[in-house]
Amino acid sequence: GQQLNQSPQSMFIQEGEDVSMNCTSSSIFNTWLWYKQDPGEGPVLLIALYKAGELTSNGRLTAQFGITRKDSFLNISASIPSDVGIYFCCTRGGTSYGKLTFGQGTILTVHP
Amino acid sequence: DGGITQSPKYLFRKEGQNVTLSCEQNLNHDAMYWYRQDPGQGLRLIYYSQIVNDFQKGDIAEGYSVSREKKESFPLTVTSAQKNPTAFYLCASRRETGTDMNTEAFFGQGTRLTVV
Repeated sequence: GQQLNQSPQSMFIQEGEDVSMNCTSSSIFNTWLWYKQDPGEGPVLLIALYKAGELTSNGRLTAQFGITRKDSFLNISASIPSDVGIYFCCTRGGTSYGKLTFGQGTILTVHP
Repeated sequence: DGGITQSPKYLFRKEGQNVTLSCEQNLNHDAMYWYRQDPGQGLRLIYYSQIVNDFQKGDIAEGYSVSREKKESFPLTVTSAQKNPTAFYLCASRRETGTDMNTEAFFGQGTRLTVV
């Protein structure tokens, strides 16, 4: 099936540092989504990207839809302890139009 | 309030028993999804449905079954054929607009299934 390669798998940072993670695929997609999951909860949408080259911000979060339509990155600036969680990239479509595919996730730990 | 509800939050079953996980949404969404999450792992798609009375296998459908008799409901049955059923199960729904815009998935709170 379709696969998304998300990296890094985990990050340990100090409060106040910036964070960057990315997701790549061998297939072209029309949508890139970024979700955050708190422990024991369902993922919550952070940012949605619909156009190649699009750069979108949501507070301290910034995400970009790669120009090749095969990748995306998420940046978090000035991290705080509540940023802790698992971050997932997600795409929809490809060979199966309605199918949502997720990356393996990036586990973020922020030390106060 | 509109939302997607999974129940129960925690479920315990004996090995060899079938168990059904509930997922209900009142968002009037067309598409619904079931994912499995293991510790330290990503989300793996079990089944998805884009319309009532129709569903497709995801990447790990073996040992699972679903039904979509109503738009609001997409129950997942974990059968005794599933070799490693203990996991965190997440249900999601999404509005199908025919375009890629504004069709993000919303997730339930998850059901943690433990088989002993």
